[in-house]
Formats: sequence, C-alpha cells, structure tokens
Amino acid sequence: AQKITQTQPGMFVQEKEAVTLDCTYDTSDQSYGLFWYKQPSSGEMIFLIYQGSYDEQNATEGRYSLNFQKARKSANLVISASQLGDSAMYFCAMRGFWGGGSNYKLTFGKGTLLTVNP
Amino acid sequence: GAGVSQTPSNKVTEKGKYVELRCDPISGHTALYWYRQSLGQGPEFLIYFQGTGAADDSGLPNDRFFAVRPEGSVSTLKIQRTERGDSAVYLCASSQKAISGGAYNEQFFGPGTRLTVL
Repeated sequence: AQKITQTQPGMFVQEKEAVTLDCTYDTSDQSYGLFWYKQPSSGEMIFLIYQGSYDEQNATEGRYSLNFQKARKSANLVISASQLGDSAMYFCAMRGFWGGGSNYKLTFGKGTLLTVNP
Repeated sequence: GAGVSQTPSNKVTEKGKYVELRCDPISGHTALYWYRQSLGQGPEFLIYFQGTGAADDSGLPNDRFFAVRPEGSVSTLKIQRTERGDSAVYLCASSQKAISGGAYNEQFFGPGTRLTVL
C-alpha cells in the first residue's frame, strides 16, 4: 500500500519569492516514482516534475525542483521566483515500478492550495 | 497535438439516473486510467485499461460503476442508479504504456467531467 501526506492545506507566498510545498510518503515498494502535479481552477492536472527513487540527484524542471530525502521519505516541491500564475492546487503523487499491483496507478495526497500574492 | 479530452465537461443528473462519461485519450496511448476526485481530496484511482481490456478495476467503488474501451481508444465510464455520493470530478488520463520506469511514460490528464447528482 502507498500513502502520500501533504500537511499544508494552504500556503501563501509573495510574488518573486520561493516557496516549499511539503510531501511525505510511505510505501513498501523497493522502486518507485514521485510526482508533482499542478491543478489550476480549470481542473486539469498538469505534470510538473518527477523523481525516481534511485535517482541520485534531485530533479529540476525550470523553476521547479524536488527536494528528495529518501531516508526521511520526503519529496518536497520548491518553486522559485513565484509568479501569479502559480496560484493553484498542488498534488504530490507516487507509484511503484517493476511489478506488483502498484506499478501504474498513481496515489495522490490531498493537495496544497498555493496563493501567490502580488 | 491534441491532449486528452473528456465529455461532457459538466453533467447534472437526478438521483437514480444512469450517466455515461466519455474519455478520448491521446492518439497512440495504449494505457488509459479513470480517477475520481471528490471535493477537497486528491484523485483516487478507479480503473486502468491496457488496450481494450480492463487490467485493474479494483478502484471501482461498487457494481454500479462500469467502464469499457471496446476499440482500445475511447473509453466510457458508466454509472447506474446514481447516488448523491457519486458527485465528484471524474478524471481520465492516458499514457504510452503502463509499465515503465521513466517519466516519459507519464500520465496525461484530461480536464475532467464534473458530475453533480441532485
């Protein structure tokens, strides 16, 4: 079984500042992937960044970076230089790899609502 | 290119009625997933298709829910005898294939169908 915990229901950040969205996870899979999605008010889930459990370096995609601490089972999303358009719900998710029943379905957390203030 | 499309975008129905929700995946994607997102929650897995067959329907809440993908492309989620508790956003996603370790195999989501059962 897999579980994602996002403890911040809402976060506020000033435009142009950096913000960290927390995510902890639990899984019995030896190999797994961690994902962050953005969901604007339009409802579509937009893939932001991916981290494999055996990747040695933290993933980065433009202004997004993933602070992966495997021993602590955390996968926090860092958004640098926040923009007004970053205001949205952010979901952390995971799935297992290489066999078993969890190697395709994504398990999501409850999300964090980020508001970027001008 | 065209993304995942879902119709209708909104569906309002009365308790006890039958509804069909349609998903048109990205061309060439063999894997298709349905998720349900209740208010204030992250998406929850319902069912996964690899080609035409439902490889895993363990997330369907009960036998009122059924999904098909007869030609390996478009999928329809069918809900019989709708209940108020079925009200949610139903998300469809597709990927090139289900089992892989890389981010290139990411699930791409559609905009969802918001179902309201009165």
